[in-house]
Amino acid sequence: QAGLTQPPSVSKGLRQTATLTCSGNIYNVGDEGVAWLQQHQGHPPKVLSYRNNNRPSGISERLSASRSGNTASLTIIGLQPEDEADYYCSAWDSSLGAWVFGGGTKLTVL
Amino acid sequence: EVQLVESGGGLAQPGGSLRLSCVASGFSFNNYPLHWVRQAPGKGLEYVSGVSPSGAATYYAKSVKGRFSISKDNSKNTLFLQMGSLRVEDMAVYYCVREADAFDVWGQGTMVTVS
Repeated sequence: QAGLTQPPSVSKGLRQTATLTCSGNIYNVGDEGVAWLQQHQGHPPKVLSYRNNNRPSGISERLSASRSGNTASLTIIGLQPEDEADYYCSAWDSSLGAWVFGGGTKLTVL
Repeated sequence: EVQLVESGGGLAQPGGSLRLSCVASGFSFNNYPLHWVRQAPGKGLEYVSGVSPSGAATYYAKSVKGRFSISKDNSKNTLFLQMGSLRVEDMAVYYCVREADAFDVWGQGTMVTVS
């Protein structure tokens, strides 16, 4: 059972903007924030951002992350075919003493 | 190149055991927390277990606590996951993951089948 809540799927058109959400509580999302991961079929996940909006080198500037209270968001502008993937949020849960993941959102680029 | 390479997956019977290994290269192995994350076929990511850089502190998901044991050999740059009392629901790809602010480096994964 996922510790964080993500919508199962989001569909947007090419070059449109998609916003993916991740909801938690004060002990995880609302505490130290989330990291966002992207996973293409058959590949391991790749980190896109951490601590809400820090992007590793090489990650597109079309991606930005934010947080408001206990909900985190990942916004992707100018959607491209390669953005079609599964997206997961993860956070440290201080009440559980463990890392938790969202159930993942499948982003479809139409 | 920073790399994590898992091995040890395979077929096990319910109630059986397996030992996964993860060899790290390209970074200071004993400076980072390391974790195991699994993904059942067609499902999402599930946190399994983690260990502090020194190996002194360990963390387990409720679903595996008491059955799995994580350890590391800093002299061999190797992370282990000893899995026991395996259940059908443990069947998944098991990823070895480095933690640096986030889960920033992932191995390719090793498949564990319980049947």
